Amino acid sequence: KAGVTQTPRYLIKTRGQQVTLSCSPISGHRSVSWYQQTPGQGLQFLFEYFSETQRNKGNFPGRFSGRQFSNSRSEMNVSTLELGDSALYLCASSLGDRVDQPQHFGDGTRLSIL
Amino acid sequence: QKEVEQDPGPLSVPEGAIVSLNCTYSNSAFQYFMWYRQYSRKGPELLMYTYSSGNKEDGRFTAQVDKSSKYISLFIRDSQPSDSATYLCAIQGAQKLVFGQGTRLTINP
Repeated sequence: KAGVTQTPRYLIKTRGQQVTLSCSPISGHRSVSWYQQTPGQGLQFLFEYFSETQRNKGNFPGRFSGRQFSNSRSEMNVSTLELGDSALYLCASSLGDRVDQPQHFGDGTRLSIL
Repeated sequence: QKEVEQDPGPLSVPEGAIVSLNCTYSNSAFQYFMWYRQYSRKGPELLMYTYSSGNKEDGRFTAQVDKSSKYISLFIRDSQPSDSATYLCAIQGAQKLVFGQGTRLTINP
């Protein structure tokens, strides 16, 4: 069974640009969550989508947005990039029907802002 | 105060040693507890998952939860160089995982 797939693996952007990251969940998983990982803050929750609806949101500015498609694939968008947005962005999927179902992570997209 | 506290290390031990990794949490409503392992340039990999107080064993790994003390532990027996990684505790809140800072572990041959 294929795992969570994130594309691209690496991205270099400049301040002010916008970026879109993609995540394909494990087959059958309907919940997709996004996390930001930095050395200083660790792993922080961005948002979670289930059946194309945002179900939960972390404490990030509105420049960070996402969406989920009918096939459960998800995209995350960051607009007006700032130097502090440099991070590893991780996507995790789960069945999503119950809160006790564990999340499985992809290998992330490493975003560097110049 | 962070919801989940974890000593970031680094922790360095000789091959074959027993490793103990620990986290504390503040919200008694948390019910599900996980340990993830993350190798360099990879995403976190689910190692252990438990929801009740007590011990859960899987091979060389044992997860321990003490809800009365809000304390979770991961023990690694007969540690191997391939166990060198960052270990993250994670606690399931409402539709999101709250992570500890992660402990960087090195097993020296």
